[in-house]
Amino acid sequence: DGGITQSPKYLFRKEGQNVTLSCEQNLNHDAMYWYRQDPGQGLRLIYYSQIVNDFQKGDIAEGYSVSREKKESFPLTVTSAQKNPTAFYLCASTSGIRQPQHFGDGTRLSIL
Amino acid sequence: SQQGEEDPQALSIQEGENATMNCSYKTSINNLQWYRQNSGRGLVHLILIRSNEREKHSGRLRVTLDTSKKSSSLLITASRAADTASYFCATDARLYDMRFGAGTRLTVKP
Repeated sequence: DGGITQSPKYLFRKEGQNVTLSCEQNLNHDAMYWYRQDPGQGLRLIYYSQIVNDFQKGDIAEGYSVSREKKESFPLTVTSAQKNPTAFYLCASTSGIRQPQHFGDGTRLSIL
Repeated sequence: SQQGEEDPQALSIQEGENATMNCSYKTSINNLQWYRQNSGRGLVHLILIRSNEREKHSGRLRVTLDTSKKSSSLLITASRAADTASYFCATDARLYDMRFGAGTRLTVKP
């Protein structure tokens, strides 16, 4: 079955540490997205990528970095510069502009 | 900033009743989408309605769109306990991403 796989499901970060969240898709989608979800709030866009080797900042990119070296993969690094990283992180992909997004099951990041 | 704003924030009904959720948005759109999110899971796409459509059905779901009022509604008929989830509207305010509201948390009591 095609879909999006996010790992790990739970992640803990120590002060001053960078952590990387994995997102892999086998839907052959060109566009991929990273969102942050805080309790009781909607999704806020961190980064998106329309094509391999290209990505754009979303609304809350500060303290985060991404890469898109392969079509299937779009990892997100939460750097130590992100002072409030505790949240639920969702990865999504889409087949084209304004098309429905397919989501992974998220990674919950907490601070130790 | 959020484009879609759902109303109410939370809704609790009995099994078998209908549930109506509303979404308002601020700028012109090409389409509006509704998603569902079970607790601790990712979002699942439910239905897409284009700006030139007024109503769309999918099973027990009925979506309406009023572009003059910049609003949409999602109706779930004959609700079931399994419909308990958060429901989000999303609009294509920008070309390459969707803008999601804060969601309506629906609880269906058996």
